[in-house]
Amino acid sequence: NAGVTQTPKFQVLKTGQSMTLQCAQDMNHNSMYWYRQDPGMGLRLIYYSASEGTTDKGEVPNGYNVSRLNKREFSLRLESAAPSQTSVYFCASSDDSGYTFGSGTRLTVV
Amino acid sequence: DQQVKQNSPSLSVQEGRISILNCDYTNSMFDYFLWYKKYPAEGPTFLISISSIKDKNEDGRFTVFLNKSAKHLSLHIVPSQPGDSAVYFCAASAIDGQNFVFGPGTRLSVLP
Repeated sequence: NAGVTQTPKFQVLKTGQSMTLQCAQDMNHNSMYWYRQDPGMGLRLIYYSASEGTTDKGEVPNGYNVSRLNKREFSLRLESAAPSQTSVYFCASSDDSGYTFGSGTRLTVV
Repeated sequence: DQQVKQNSPSLSVQEGRISILNCDYTNSMFDYFLWYKKYPAEGPTFLISISSIKDKNEDGRFTVFLNKSAKHLSLHIVPSQPGDSAVYFCAASAIDGQNFVFGPGTRLSVLP
């Protein structure tokens, strides 16, 4: 089915470990986003990419890096995970009518 | 300071009655608004939108009302069904229609 695919769905990291969250969309959308969702905070934008080859910081970029590998793929990297990065992460892509979200990655940093 | 606020973290409604979810925003540049619905362990899914040229948009049981002067919008669900139980996010964007700002969400429980 068309949409946004995120991997992995679950991950447990130790403090200081690194990992990359993968995201791919097959809707030919130009814009892609990474959000984190925390209780009482809603969805907060980490980074976004308005088009292939461009990335920009969102509301909470510290501790993260992103790569817009091509039009389909937008990855999020944690270089040195911290417990404060325990969250649910959503990737999304958009066209003029709105966003399509992936199903989320639940990350726990211990 | 949150630009998009949903001041009710949770709401319980009896099946068949009306659910009203509220959203307030502070940025007068916002002129395109979306509502998303989220079930546990799933990503948010688009529900309904409204732009500032309208004050009402209806889609089946779902109606969104926009009051630009009050910087307020609301989502009405009539009649409410148990399957509507989810977290509802309000989101707002300025003219470019990108980089939506999301509210913290309201958890709706529809009781049978």
